Amino acid sequence: GAGVSQSPSNKVTEKGKDVELRCDPISGHTALYWYRQSLGQGLEFLIYFQGNSAPDKSGLPSDRFSAERTGGSVSTLTIQRTQQEDSAVYLCASSRILNTEAFFGQGTRLTVV
Amino acid sequence: GESVGLHLPTLSVQEGDNSIINCAYSNSASDYFIWYKQESGKGPQFIIDIRSNMDKRQGQRVTVLLNKTVKHLSLQIAATQPGDSAVYFCAEISMDSSYKLIFGSGTRLLVRP
Repeated sequence: GAGVSQSPSNKVTEKGKDVELRCDPISGHTALYWYRQSLGQGLEFLIYFQGNSAPDKSGLPSDRFSAERTGGSVSTLTIQRTQQEDSAVYLCASSRILNTEAFFGQGTRLTVV
Repeated sequence: GESVGLHLPTLSVQEGDNSIINCAYSNSASDYFIWYKQESGKGPQFIIDIRSNMDKRQGQRVTVLLNKTVKHLSLQIAATQPGDSAVYFCAEISMDSSYKLIFGSGTRLLVRP
């Protein structure tokens, strides 16, 4: 597709389970960002990739969160042993190179019950 | 992780009037700025960007102004329409923050018919 694609669009999981969120960036975009947005709030930076490398992981809330990117394209954000406070919309964005406009996907709404 | 926008201020304008949305940024080393529009249930949508070597940039019905002296960014929307109702975020990138895209606190724009 032409835009950033995220899947699933909605995910309901039980507390303690692991979840994987997927992001397909715009083709050719080397930079990829993950954010978390709680209801009615701003965007919390989690991690970004330049190619397959993650220069800055400082935003990951805990060691239950991890992310990887392979082939300079698809990225997965994994949350292990989910907690209720992990409930939020997880947004992915990509840009052609760093320091240029970033385009967002529609997000994955995660609900931990 | 970094988080912003805990309480969103609201700007209410009459349809047809001009809107001005303000953003104060914190990092004097930031050299690239983006305005995003976010409608309910959707990911942020790129509106306009500006680099630090400029103080004004115009798009279709939108103008961004940058005042580096006071670290202030504004988004002006001409002839505001009901479809402009959304939450607006400014975002900044700086080399000394390893090029991660950091979002400022959002502003909710309500357009009265």
